[in-house]
Amino acid sequence: SQKIEQNSEALNIQEGKTATLTCNYTNYSPAYLQWYRQDPGRGPVFLLLIRENEKEKRKERLKVTFDTTLKQSLFHVTASQPADSATYLCALDSGGYNKLIFGAGTRLAVHP
Amino acid sequence: KAGVTQTPRYLIKTRGQQVTLSCSPISGHRSVSWYQQTPGQGLQFLFEYFSETQRNKGNFPGRFSGRQFSNSRSEMNVSTLELGDSALYLCASSSGWETVNTEAFFGQGTRLTVV
Repeated sequence: SQKIEQNSEALNIQEGKTATLTCNYTNYSPAYLQWYRQDPGRGPVFLLLIRENEKEKRKERLKVTFDTTLKQSLFHVTASQPADSATYLCALDSGGYNKLIFGAGTRLAVHP
Repeated sequence: KAGVTQTPRYLIKTRGQQVTLSCSPISGHRSVSWYQQTPGQGLQFLFEYFSETQRNKGNFPGRFSGRQFSNSRSEMNVSTLELGDSALYLCASSSGWETVNTEAFFGQGTRLTVV
């Protein structure tokens, strides 16, 4: 079955630095991959979607890469701010309509 | 444009009872998905409805069921509640038929506690 792995340990970085989060998957070749942000007690919020034929996608200070050979996506937050502190979730399409398979998420903490 | 609305926000139920949760999707969205989120298992897919038809189902027991109405509003029901059903239940709506191009818009969730 499909499996997604995100670094379960929290990532602590200094304000202004670039945070890089990793999402690895096995036993599947998804058509696309999504990244979401989740704050405590709230539902996930969509950030970026990248398709299998795209290598990189950017949105403001966010950048996502998708390497289908390595079966890996990297999520970068550049010039990070304390407001970027949250849990970031990676999600793959399962090949079945609007069913997403989520990773466990990585908690990012940006310190002033 | 109003977002996805889930009611109630919090629920406390006793083992053996049943519960119904409600979700109103974004206006115009015809796809509604339900997810269970727990600290140990993360976000897990329950089922998805599109135009009142269940198109996809996750690996949950039959105690978990759902339905969608003609106005796209959806409900999920959990019967014979167990302690392990305590979780945040999230509803997501999407505008598309396929998975390829659509982002999911999540509600705030319903926090269910079974005692």
